[in-house]
Amino acid sequence: DGGITQSPKYLFRKEGQNVTLSCEQNLNHDAMYWYRQDPGQGLRLIYYSQIVNDFQKGDIAEGYSVSREKKESFPLTVTSAQKNPTAFYLCASSGTSGSGEQYFGPGTRLTVT
Amino acid sequence: AQSVAQPEDQVNVAEGNPLTVKCTYSVSGNPYLFWYVQYPNRGLQFLLKYITGDNLVKGSYGFEAEFNKSQTSFHLKKPSALVSDSALYFCAVRDWTGFQKLVFGTGTRLLVSP
Repeated sequence: DGGITQSPKYLFRKEGQNVTLSCEQNLNHDAMYWYRQDPGQGLRLIYYSQIVNDFQKGDIAEGYSVSREKKESFPLTVTSAQKNPTAFYLCASSGTSGSGEQYFGPGTRLTVT
Repeated sequence: AQSVAQPEDQVNVAEGNPLTVKCTYSVSGNPYLFWYVQYPNRGLQFLLKYITGDNLVKGSYGFEAEFNKSQTSFHLKKPSALVSDSALYFCAVRDWTGFQKLVFGTGTRLLVSP
């Protein structure tokens, strides 16, 4: 988990509320990613960013939004439009040269009731 | 499209015995392959990767993986399992259709019994 922090570790929200998950890295990586993990489904890519002020939708972007104003930070907002937001959310980063391995934060478990 | 299959949801092995966690892949382009481990309520930890060269790749915590191009496989192995190896293991392949993206398998739970 070293080098990437996610906060908070656990987050509880009422249905209909937007919530923002924090992700910070000190690895000097240009690329950052957000994944959603559900039991038995592996990791699914929500958004990714190759560089500051640029980001792309992943496979399940609906109901989510991101920003990338600083190289170190890539916050994810789970909006009220996300139909089933309860999940474990993982942030990752990687360098832009080399083989492309990603390094992950410790995750945030979001529960919406 | 790039894909990874982990055919076993769970692998059970006794402590001290060798373990194998299976992974097969499909990729258009060079197969860059990765293994990650996840402990409960934690992020994924990078174990090892295959990019090119020797088909037997050594990684962290005594794990190794064998790349087999003809069988499109990249199985994770360890000669002697520890109870502390019990965790969720993910295989991933680089997706050459998108920037630095990885495609992950659904994961295999490894349970090592004392």
